[in-house]
Amino acid sequence: DTEVTQTPKHLVMGMTNKKSLKCEQHMGHRAMYWYKQKAKKPPELMFVYSYEKLSINESVPSRFSPECPNSSLLNLHLHALQPEDSALYLCASSQGTGYGTEAFFGQGTRLTVV
Amino acid sequence: GENVEQHPSTLSVQEGDSAVIKCTYSDSASNYFPWYKQELGKRPQLIIDIRSNVGEKKDQRIAVTLNKTAKHFSLHITETQPEDSAVYFCAALLEGGSEKLVFGKGTKLTVNP
Repeated sequence: DTEVTQTPKHLVMGMTNKKSLKCEQHMGHRAMYWYKQKAKKPPELMFVYSYEKLSINESVPSRFSPECPNSSLLNLHLHALQPEDSALYLCASSQGTGYGTEAFFGQGTRLTVV
Repeated sequence: GENVEQHPSTLSVQEGDSAVIKCTYSDSASNYFPWYKQELGKRPQLIIDIRSNVGEKKDQRIAVTLNKTAKHFSLHITETQPEDSAVYFCAALLEGGSEKLVFGKGTKLTVNP
């Protein structure tokens, strides 16, 4: 199984809503990531979890709150977002041994903030 | 921190021609360089990668070259086919450090039949 599964695939939310994005992998990977991708731009790193601990936060606004309940799951909790937060949110995972290995990406959640 | 520059931003070739995409990186300590292909509406997928102890790697029609001294690495696609049309991203990672993969801005490759 080389899949990273993200739900939902699409999400429309208002600026006062609270929602969560979910990501799951069963490859035994110990590093998991959240990326934000705007149209015609590269993926932009938001957070890295290594062995279930937050290791990198790229100065992401607090309206985005990551959570790693266990080694297979990664959530991104959203609250009071702005329209400019509309983007494709990609989850990825890798072996996380510190030795560069393939990062597997999920299909993404296309988020629209209205 | 690491910075990755990628050129060109768009590339159009005829089917059967070769395509070359070039990247430079700023952190001489970076030692892992993957290339990702992203088709419209789909996830990025790894197509080839190279480590700093290797100068060239080839996989069928795809090859990557690395010049550590100049901090350049390039993707070469030979005998291009229409299904090669996509956005290609280079990236760099410092192994043994944080798991921070830094991407170039991407190259939109169009292969015309």
